[in-house]
Amino acid sequence: QQQVKQSPQSLIVQKGGISIINCAYENTAFDYFPWYQQFPGKGPALLIAIRPDVSEKKEGRFTISFNKSAKQFSLHIMDSQPGDSATYFCAASGSFGNEKLTFGTGTRLTIIP
Amino acid sequence: NAGVTQTPKFRVLKTGQSMTLLCAQDMNHEYMYWYRQDPGMGLRLIHYSVGEGTTAKGEVPDGYNVSRLKKQNFLLGLESAAPSQTSVYFCASSYVVGTEAFFGQGTRLTVV
Repeated sequence: QQQVKQSPQSLIVQKGGISIINCAYENTAFDYFPWYQQFPGKGPALLIAIRPDVSEKKEGRFTISFNKSAKQFSLHIMDSQPGDSATYFCAASGSFGNEKLTFGTGTRLTIIP
Repeated sequence: NAGVTQTPKFRVLKTGQSMTLLCAQDMNHEYMYWYRQDPGMGLRLIHYSVGEGTTAKGEVPDGYNVSRLKKQNFLLGLESAAPSQTSVYFCASSYVVGTEAFFGQGTRLTVV
């Protein structure tokens, strides 16, 4: 039973384009939705996170869009650069019995020149 | 500031052998997690702890045991290793739930 579903599994985007990765969750008790970035041979690192009281959060070229009613959230990378090539994971957690930080299956993003 | 340190970084085990993976954090975090990462399956939670002396099962706990005797350490044990436990194991910690989780560099375990 996968509580956080992520798509696509892989994505190829041209340099300067917009990369979009989508996630959907099932547990309405989730109240924290982070995105992690992982480079080969490294552990994941927090990229950006959102809570359900806002519908969008932007940090530089990275934006999270959040749709509480649809139980979906997405990561948008504007002006994608070769250095953005990595694996991206969405995740979710809650409180009061839902503290597990649960991850999606990951998206391998490749930015081509 | 070391953050989250995992030992060892690499290990090869024979089927049936046992081993313990050590995770240490120096950030005074309450929450600690053990994940395994396999191609196409993302990060799957094995066990986690919400504080010293506590442990709880994650998504894939079978074949693993954990202990959190000290706040800064979270140990993952394999009592009788199986080839299906070949994976990259990551430890993570966070101050409380709903805050940034910091990951270690991973342990690549091969069971032959």
